[in-house]
Amino acid sequence: AQKITQTQPGMFVQEKEAVTLDCTYDTSDPSYGLFWYKQPSSGEMIFLIYQGSYDQQNATEGRYSLNFQKARKSANLVISASQLGDSAMYFCAMREGPQAGTALIFGKGTTLSVSS
Amino acid sequence: GAVVSQHPSRVICKSGTSVKIECRSLDFQATTMFWYRQFPKKSLMLMATSNEGSKATYEQGVEKDKFLINHASLTLSTLTVTSAHPEDSSFYICSAKARPSSETQYFGPGTRLLVL
Repeated sequence: AQKITQTQPGMFVQEKEAVTLDCTYDTSDPSYGLFWYKQPSSGEMIFLIYQGSYDQQNATEGRYSLNFQKARKSANLVISASQLGDSAMYFCAMREGPQAGTALIFGKGTTLSVSS
Repeated sequence: GAVVSQHPSRVICKSGTSVKIECRSLDFQATTMFWYRQFPKKSLMLMATSNEGSKATYEQGVEKDKFLINHASLTLSTLTVTSAHPEDSSFYICSAKARPSSETQYFGPGTRLLVL
């Protein structure tokens, strides 16, 4: 079974609109971390946001927020007020287990296209 | 934020030759670095975990004799693709943790390898 599932291969949104990128995860470990990364066409991986499994509140970083639904095992990324520069590939990833900073397991990614 | 560099950014080589890719942490010491491989429009797959001063830990299915990893110092890990073949053509990305307990992994800009 896949550990990280991103069901949207591509998403299209207009500038200034909000968009939600879906991510579900599968783990039996009570301690884990969830990450979102942005990968533009240049290839670099840009860290966006992190949510720990024991965090009570949803993580937010500027225009990015993580909708953490623990019972549903979902960690959707919400981008508010989309900008043209948001067009990129977005990856959801998970660190499984209590040891911080272990290797990440990545989903297949969602390509976001923002139009004017 | 912390910076991780990779060199070269792009390399083309002939089949049968060996290629060395460097991953450097520029402003922090990294006891652990990770090497990932990414095919076009696909997800990142962990290849190995590189620990300073000890042998790398390889993921299942990754040939350790083909992908040699050396983490000789706290700021440098190298990945050598030995006797490269066209199927080794891929995007190779490294990441590093600034501290063992840190959640944040900083990614390098990646190296595009094309084997002719």
